[in-house]
Amino acid sequence: GAGVSQSPRYKVAKRGQDVALRCDPISGHVSLFWYQQALGQGPEFLTYFQNEAQLDKSGLPSDRFFAERPEGSVSTLKIQRTQQEDSAVYLCASSLYESSSDTQYFGPGTRLTVL
Amino acid sequence: AQKITQTQPGMFVQEKEAVTLDCTYDTSDPSYGLFWYKQPSSGEMIFLIYQGSYDQQNATEGRYSLNFQKARKSANLVISASQLGDSAMYFCAMIPYGFNKFYFGSGTKLNVKP
Repeated sequence: GAGVSQSPRYKVAKRGQDVALRCDPISGHVSLFWYQQALGQGPEFLTYFQNEAQLDKSGLPSDRFFAERPEGSVSTLKIQRTQQEDSAVYLCASSLYESSSDTQYFGPGTRLTVL
Repeated sequence: AQKITQTQPGMFVQEKEAVTLDCTYDTSDPSYGLFWYKQPSSGEMIFLIYQGSYDQQNATEGRYSLNFQKARKSANLVISASQLGDSAMYFCAMIPYGFNKFYFGSGTKLNVKP
């Protein structure tokens, strides 16, 4: 497909379980971003990759959150020992270059519900 | 610190009329980019329009235009000739140049009435 894809679209986890969320960026895009969007709020930045390098992880809320992009394309956001406050939509975005003025193209998101 | 404020949680507009969605921002960075995204109920953020802080002219993209007033730190989105398909959440975002993360506002829910 031509756009950013994410899987799964919906994930229900029991408190304490580990989850892995996948993002397939637009082919050839250098930059990849993860955002967390709580219900009724705007997205909040989690982390940024330039190719395979994670250059900014300042938004990750705790050490239970871990992201990787080992080959510079697909990225996985992993949340260990999920808590109820982790319930949110997780959005992935990619942009062609590393410039701040580049448009970020978003995927449809993964809605995570922690019971 | 960066702060984006969208003061209109919800708005109604009649089909075919124009509507303005407000956005103000607070930043100490001298150069930055401003973006507007549309988020329908399906969840995907759709890029609408971009304005650079040094751009002299207001950006336009089809029915969308950005009313950029740098001194007032405002970047309002104007949608002309509203359509039913414009009903969605709209987010204003800012990115300081040299950084790689958006700062988003809390959004405005637009409802277009037939």
